[in-house]
Amino acid sequence: DTAVSQTPKYLVTQMGNDKSIKCEQNLGHDTMYWYKQDSKKFLKIMFSYNNKELIINETVPNRFSPKSPDKAHLNLHINSLELGDSAVYFCASRQEGETEAFFGQGTRLTVV
Amino acid sequence: AQSVSQHNHHVILSEAASLELGCNYSYGGTVNLFWYVQYPGQHLQLLLKYFSGDPLVKGIKGFEAEFIKSKFSFNLRKPSVQWSDTAEYFCAVFRIGGTALIFGKGTTLSVSS
Repeated sequence: DTAVSQTPKYLVTQMGNDKSIKCEQNLGHDTMYWYKQDSKKFLKIMFSYNNKELIINETVPNRFSPKSPDKAHLNLHINSLELGDSAVYFCASRQEGETEAFFGQGTRLTVV
Repeated sequence: AQSVSQHNHHVILSEAASLELGCNYSYGGTVNLFWYVQYPGQHLQLLLKYFSGDPLVKGIKGFEAEFIKSKFSFNLRKPSVQWSDTAEYFCAVFRIGGTALIFGKGTTLSVSS
């Protein structure tokens, strides 16, 4: 069974569209994250949720809005997509009190 | 600013050569340290981790890393690389009391057969 799963794996969309990426973890972890990996492979944290509450919100345009319906899910909604949003987005989860994070397969978003 | 630095952007080796990838961090206090690998087109996989105890840790696929507290370093090593080790390698730090893993910018390893 996949521990952290993201859908879709690939997403190609036009500028100006609104899209969502979904993430689910079956590890029973309390904390979930979204990371963005840019074209230079740099991994930067975007958001962190702990038990459905936002605890990290890095300098990310407000077009990006995370939603956590329950502690097993953390979705990422992006409004008015721009070319610069093209990247691989990774979801991750971690158990509170632990430091190791488990990553999903990534979603490669291409904005054209 | 607090950060994680990986000194080598791109390393090119022949098979059987030895590998050492540098990682330094600038956080004070207690940290947990990780190396992740990302094979072409794939997701991040944990290679090894250091929490406490023996500063020399062994991971999967023959990799090891040494934590040197005085140098704030956690370098990754492998005595003899294989073509299949071609990948991106990321050093990451979790500062105890912090909230997230912080990554270095990664090192691309290319191994020729």
